[in-house]
Amino acid sequence: QKEVEQNSGPLSVPEGAIASLNCTYSDRVSQSFFWYRQYSGKSPELIMSIYSNGDKEDGRFTAQLNKASQYVSLLIRDSQPSDSATYLCAVKWDSNYQLIWGAGTKLIIKP
Amino acid sequence: NAGVTQTPKFRILKIGQSMTLQCTQDMNHNYMYWYRQDPGMGLKLIYYSVGAGITDKGEVPNGYNVSRSTTEDFPLRLELAAPSQTSVYFCASSYSGTGGRWGNQPQHFGDGTRLSIL
Repeated sequence: QKEVEQNSGPLSVPEGAIASLNCTYSDRVSQSFFWYRQYSGKSPELIMSIYSNGDKEDGRFTAQLNKASQYVSLLIRDSQPSDSATYLCAVKWDSNYQLIWGAGTKLIIKP
Repeated sequence: NAGVTQTPKFRILKIGQSMTLQCTQDMNHNYMYWYRQDPGMGLKLIYYSVGAGITDKGEVPNGYNVSRSTTEDFPLRLELAAPSQTSVYFCASSYSGTGGRWGNQPQHFGDGTRLSIL
């Protein structure tokens, strides 16, 4: 069974610091990886997608993918209180239309 | 730019009642999905569709039905509501992609329907 694991948190980070969120997945035959942010009571919104090994940067966000070790991470630089949310990792496997979702990590940025 | 629209936003049902959750998207996306999210949990796929007239079961389809008569609409039907179906329901859609990115496009979500079965 394909699984996506995340530490549920909460992860508490001081404002201005780097927040590091991790996600591991169970199957090497994976294709696409997504990070979504979900504010309390709201729907998930896409932050980053990554398809190849290495780093992908978008503003204050960097996604890192290591397929050999089967993990994907999200770094948030210069963390702001508005970054406080639950971050969901989602993985798509090659032969499937579906995304498999982690349970999410709750991030709290302390002013 | 509406994106994915879900109605209603909130609903309370009695055990055994039926209802339809509506979902429509205006992005001409081929793929559409229904998820449920229980408190503190990730998203569980109920049903999905890769185009009009084509639907398939996800991880937790029992107690639900769907149809896809048009590209835009993907309603979810609860036939005999049970307390275990109390949850937040999200509809999502995605573009199918092309070439190497076929099937790998991100999903766009509606605002959700908060459903309580009492």
